[in-house]
Amino acid sequence: DGGITQSPKYLFRKEGQNVTLSCEQNLNHDAMYWYRQDPGQGLRLIYYSQIVNDFQKGDIAEGYSVSREKKESFPLTVTSAQKNPTAFYLCASSLGTSADTQYFGPGTRLTVL
Amino acid sequence: GEDVEQSLFLSVREGDSSVINCTYTDSSSTYLYWYKQEPGAGLQLLTYIFSNMDMKQDQRLTVLLNKKDKHLSLRIADTQTGDSAIYFCAEKTDSWGKLQFGAGTQVVVTP
Repeated sequence: DGGITQSPKYLFRKEGQNVTLSCEQNLNHDAMYWYRQDPGQGLRLIYYSQIVNDFQKGDIAEGYSVSREKKESFPLTVTSAQKNPTAFYLCASSLGTSADTQYFGPGTRLTVL
Repeated sequence: GEDVEQSLFLSVREGDSSVINCTYTDSSSTYLYWYKQEPGAGLQLLTYIFSNMDMKQDQRLTVLLNKKDKHLSLRIADTQTGDSAIYFCAEKTDSWGKLQFGAGTQVVVTP
């Protein structure tokens, strides 16, 4: 079964702690993306990666970090510098061509206690 | 900058047609997308349209694009209770694939 998996589905963390969200895809896609979704708002791009070992900041990268050591994996770390980290986080991937479409994982809901 | 706007809420009776509207501002958009999100889930790609097309039909879904007015719509025929969800419009403006999303339209289907 091809697709995108995100884990865990729900995540709780205390203020001041870093936490890492997992995103894995077996679609052989070159490009991967992290979005943040807040209630009543559209998705906002945090980071994206067009190829292994390369990634770029999106619109709201402050307080987040990523790595892309393998094609299949694009983990997102929410650091203690992120002022308001409670949100729904969505990972997506695409072929990386100009005509491709993005496919999304099921999401991780992060709550800071 | 880019901005995508959608109405926030739509209520429709089961069996009727739903029409969800979207306006965008970037005339260089290449592709426009409709995604569906059910509660607590990720986004599911419904359909997309290339900017040089006016209309695209896919089973119960019809997408209309008016480039002059920068207006996109999604019509769902014979709306069912399973169509209750949030629908997002998105435009692709950069060649590499960055999407700009609207805030989403909550569609509620009543029996």
